[in-house]
Amino acid sequence: EVQLVESGGGLVQPGESLRLSCVASGFTFSSYWMTWVRQTPGKGLEWVANINQDGSEKYYVDSVKGRFTISRDNAKNSVFVQMNNLRDEDTAVYYCAGLWSGYNAFEFWGQGTLVTVSS
Amino acid sequence: QSALTQPASVSGSPGQSITISCTGTSSDVGGYNLVSWYQQHPGKAPKFLIYEVNKRPSGVSNRFSGSRSGNTASLTISGLQAEDEADYYCCSYATFDTWIFGGGTKLTVL
Repeated sequence: EVQLVESGGGLVQPGESLRLSCVASGFTFSSYWMTWVRQTPGKGLEWVANINQDGSEKYYVDSVKGRFTISRDNAKNSVFVQMNNLRDEDTAVYYCAGLWSGYNAFEFWGQGTLVTVSS
Repeated sequence: QSALTQPASVSGSPGQSITISCTGTSSDVGGYNLVSWYQQHPGKAPKFLIYEVNKRPSGVSNRFSGSRSGNTASLTISGLQAEDEADYYCCSYATFDTWIFGGGTKLTVL
């Protein structure tokens, strides 16, 4: 059974940092691009960042460039996002998702972890 | 990067067919065969329905189908069932190795 389990969410103040983790099981993690997608409460999905299979390529939505860093550890089947200088507008549920090149789509999704940025 | 444009809501009766549109530009929907669709029930994670515009992964009902004309992609659900009531999102690969989602469409089964 495929599982993606996110952790690390919580309540932080503007300007603070948070690191989210996602542990994968049930599929060949090292064969997948991994992605973070966020969803503002009651609103739509927003792609945040991607990392390729060996971690050599990383891409970000403009609004998080310079503040967020995606990384992965294939030995631990894990993907991370370090979020610095958080803003109110970063408040969202953050999902990790697996993207397989055979589909070019987000095949697997975790259940999400809530990040709240508020003073 | 503006979200792809989807209708906020659509509705249909059981057994009917509905279509959800997803409008982008030649830099995303119209430029690549990399449109996908996702279903999300309240409080749940999105579920992958369609990839590469019109292909269905194994396990997804053939009541779901995708298409595209120019810069507009569409998801059609035939034989509507009560369990189809959910939010639906399109997504497209865009230039510079980024991805963009639609704003989402709430489907109500009457």
